[in-house]
Amino acid sequence: DAGVIQSPRHEVTEMGQEVTLRCKPISGHNSLFWYRQTMMRGLELLIYFNNNVPIDDSGMPEDRFSAKMPNASFSTLKIQPSEPRDSAVYFCASSLALSGLFGDRGYEQYFGPGTRLTVT
Amino acid sequence: KQEVTQIPAALSVPEGENLVLNCSFTDSAIYNLQWFRQDPGKGLTSLLLIQSSQREQTSGRLNASLDKSSGRSTLYIAASQPGDSATYLCAVTGANNLFFGTGTRLTVIP
Repeated sequence: DAGVIQSPRHEVTEMGQEVTLRCKPISGHNSLFWYRQTMMRGLELLIYFNNNVPIDDSGMPEDRFSAKMPNASFSTLKIQPSEPRDSAVYFCASSLALSGLFGDRGYEQYFGPGTRLTVT
Repeated sequence: KQEVTQIPAALSVPEGENLVLNCSFTDSAIYNLQWFRQDPGKGLTSLLLIQSSQREQTSGRLNASLDKSSGRSTLYIAASQPGDSATYLCAVTGANNLFFGTGTRLTVIP
């Protein structure tokens, strides 16, 4: 398996522009997670899906952030409009969890390589 | 809110030495604990996953222990190698979130 695939690997954009990050989870996994990593705040969970359904989006910082999972093999994280403070590395991860409960015998999470976003 | 602490923040050891990385958490109501490795500019690689009912897991030169009641986990690396140089993160799984520590940056000197 190719692992979790993210695109683009690097994104540089100007403030106010729309940014779309993409993720393809590992085939057969039923849970998908979006994280953000910054020097100041470390790794933070933004949102997670189970069987394509958003379960908890309480980590999404603002209404400018939205995430979708139209099918089991694809998810997007969109920022509109983007701001310089959104600059970070965004990771997608997937796992095979037994149920929709986040921690219920949750299996290992496998991370993608990340997208480094720079908003100028 | 769960707080996860890793000490030390950075560690340098000569090649061949055995070492221990520490992780502590404030809320013992966890489902599992996972150790990750992150190389500069790269994603996270899962090293070991310990379920809350387990006390340790082993993989090659790595051994992770979990003492849920005291809120502690250790990652033991035997016979360290320069290729082990990376940042090591622990993460605990709660009911609704995965809480990461800030990591320990390990440098193994040849």
